[in-house]
Amino acid sequence: GAGVSQSPSNKVTEKGKDVELRCDPISGHTALYWYRQSLGQGLEFLIYFQGNSAPDKSGLPSDRFSAERTGGSVSTLTIQRTQQEDSAVYLCASSLGGGRQPQHFGDGTRLSIL
Amino acid sequence: KQEVTQIPAALSVPEGENLVLNCSFTDSAIYNLQWFRQDPGKGLTSLLLIQSSQREQTSGRLNASLDKSSGRSTLYIAASQPGDSATYLCAVGHFNKFYFGSGTKLNVKP
Repeated sequence: GAGVSQSPSNKVTEKGKDVELRCDPISGHTALYWYRQSLGQGLEFLIYFQGNSAPDKSGLPSDRFSAERTGGSVSTLTIQRTQQEDSAVYLCASSLGGGRQPQHFGDGTRLSIL
Repeated sequence: KQEVTQIPAALSVPEGENLVLNCSFTDSAIYNLQWFRQDPGKGLTSLLLIQSSQREQTSGRLNASLDKSSGRSTLYIAASQPGDSATYLCAVGHFNKFYFGSGTKLNVKP
């Protein structure tokens, strides 16, 4: 596709369940970012993938959060044993690489934990 | 750690006014600065990207300036329209990360 695609667009789940969020970046983009945006807040960096390098996981808030990127393309963000404070919009962005290139964002997944 | 601040948090103006949104950052060692708009329920749309070696960028009615030494950027919107109503975010690129402000919510009244 032409842009970054995220699925699902909305996810409602019960506290304690695991969730998987998917991001399909723009073809050819080597860098992929996950961010979290809580209501009325700015974007909080979660994790960054660049090519085949080890990901920068420094923004993950707890060990319940993990992410992988298969084949340098699609990425999945997994949240285990969800808590109510995990409710937020999770945004994915891709770029041609590094901090010098513009980022292109998907429309996000709105996650609600009951 | 890089801190990015946007002032004001919200702004309401009548249609046709020129306006300025502000972004400040604490560490001047940046690669670039990017301005985005975000519509409700949507992701971010890139408006302008200023590389660290540049002083400004223009696109249509938008002009963004960058003063690294003072840690400031401004987004100037000329002849505002109701369709400009959105939240505007700035982000500074630093190494492999981008640091975002909390945004300015703009409402342009017809």
